[in-house]
Amino acid sequence: GAVVSQHPSWVICKSGTSVKIECRSLDFQATTMFWYRQFPKQSLMLMATSNEGSKATYEQGVEKDKFLINHASLTLSTLTVTSAHPEDSSFYICSASDRGSPLHFGNGTRLTVT
Amino acid sequence: ELKVEQNPLFLSMQEGKNYTIYCNYSTTSDRLYWYRQDPGKSLESLFVLLSNGAVKQEGRLMASLDTKARLSTLHITAAVHDLSATYFCAVETDSGYALNFGKGTSLLVTP
Repeated sequence: GAVVSQHPSWVICKSGTSVKIECRSLDFQATTMFWYRQFPKQSLMLMATSNEGSKATYEQGVEKDKFLINHASLTLSTLTVTSAHPEDSSFYICSASDRGSPLHFGNGTRLTVT
Repeated sequence: ELKVEQNPLFLSMQEGKNYTIYCNYSTTSDRLYWYRQDPGKSLESLFVLLSNGAVKQEGRLMASLDTKARLSTLHITAAVHDLSATYFCAVETDSGYALNFGKGTSLLVTP
């Protein structure tokens, strides 16, 4: 079945530094990728939608200058958390779609900012 | 604003019992998804319901969709401990393929 690989699985960084998370579709071309954030014991909240070759669309309340998304190819999207703060600590999950195929989720990245 | 409401949010049930989780949504979407999440893990796809009246079953779980009532149910039959997890329903947003999730139902199955 279709697989979405997310890397790293977990990362610890110091406050003020930047962290990049990768999301790869391994056996299909993902024209659209989505980034979600999940705080402990809460649901998943959509952060942004990225389409290959164009700018990402951010949900209301998500700072586009803080959460940089790049979808440079049909198999790779990256989320960079810039100038991370402890309140950015969360579980980040990507998902990928290929023109209507069921969504496939990555394994998630646990970010801890100290 | 698209709303997806699940209930109950917490469910403790004994092994062998039956129960139903409900998912109400406010959009006219005819696609509804059910996922399972174990602690510290990502989402596992359980069911994709694509049309009114759709019913799907896998093991002790059965999901149904009533698009007219904007209601989906996840029925658990003869629960076992391995079913303990958080279950989410989700509906596609108007922008296409992005999902709006319910708050999740945390299920604990006890002996």
